[in-house]
Amino acid sequence: DIVMTQSPDSLAVSLGERATINCKSSQSVLYNSNNKNYLGWYQQKPGQPPKVLIYWASTRESGVPDRFSGSGSGTDFTLTISSLQAEDVAVYYCQQYYSSPFTFGGGTKVEIK
Amino acid sequence: QVQLVQSGAEVKQPGASVKVSCKASGYTFTGYYIHWVRQAPGQGLEWMGWINVNSGGTTYAQKFQGRVTVTRDTSINTAYMELTWLRSDDTAIYYCARDQGGGYTALNHWGQGTLVTVSS
Repeated sequence: DIVMTQSPDSLAVSLGERATINCKSSQSVLYNSNNKNYLGWYQQKPGQPPKVLIYWASTRESGVPDRFSGSGSGTDFTLTISSLQAEDVAVYYCQQYYSSPFTFGGGTKVEIK
Repeated sequence: QVQLVQSGAEVKQPGASVKVSCKASGYTFTGYYIHWVRQAPGQGLEWMGWINVNSGGTTYAQKFQGRVTVTRDTSINTAYMELTWLRSDDTAIYYCARDQGGGYTALNHWGQGTLVTVSS
């Protein structure tokens, strides 16, 4: 199984400041034949199901604010919130869908400082 | 609009089985995979398995092999997840989710979740 390791477990950021979440996979999730990274980022607010923010490591889902961006390739990935808003308080998860089982990272809790 | 509506909360005794339904609407049901993901109280997300709704083919995480069965009924646009031999650590919210198409894609539509409580 591919192990997804997120860091940090939690972070507190001031409103308007940048938040950066890291995700590392135990093996590459880059499929060479199409040059796509099979990596998604999800946001989960309390009492709600997860919501996809980013797929293919860097493609923003329709309707997601452009302050959310994803980067990275191979085994190392980053989700950046460029200017944290109050409504961004949530737990964020990465997920690889390169191979079954489609494992998730442990989650990163983002709070307001 | 795409909607996935799951069945209601369940309370089961250890050793029993539970079957959770996921009714889809707003898209062509057979055109996408349905995945099942669970979340224990206060914990992270755990992928359980998927079904190719068109073919009926399934793949399960090794952890759940032999205890989980995912099926679908295309006549009523509904997918099901049955988990047998329930234990207390199966207490969790169970989500169905639709992928973006093709199986190896992100999950862009989710059900509201079904709380399954296993307790004697």
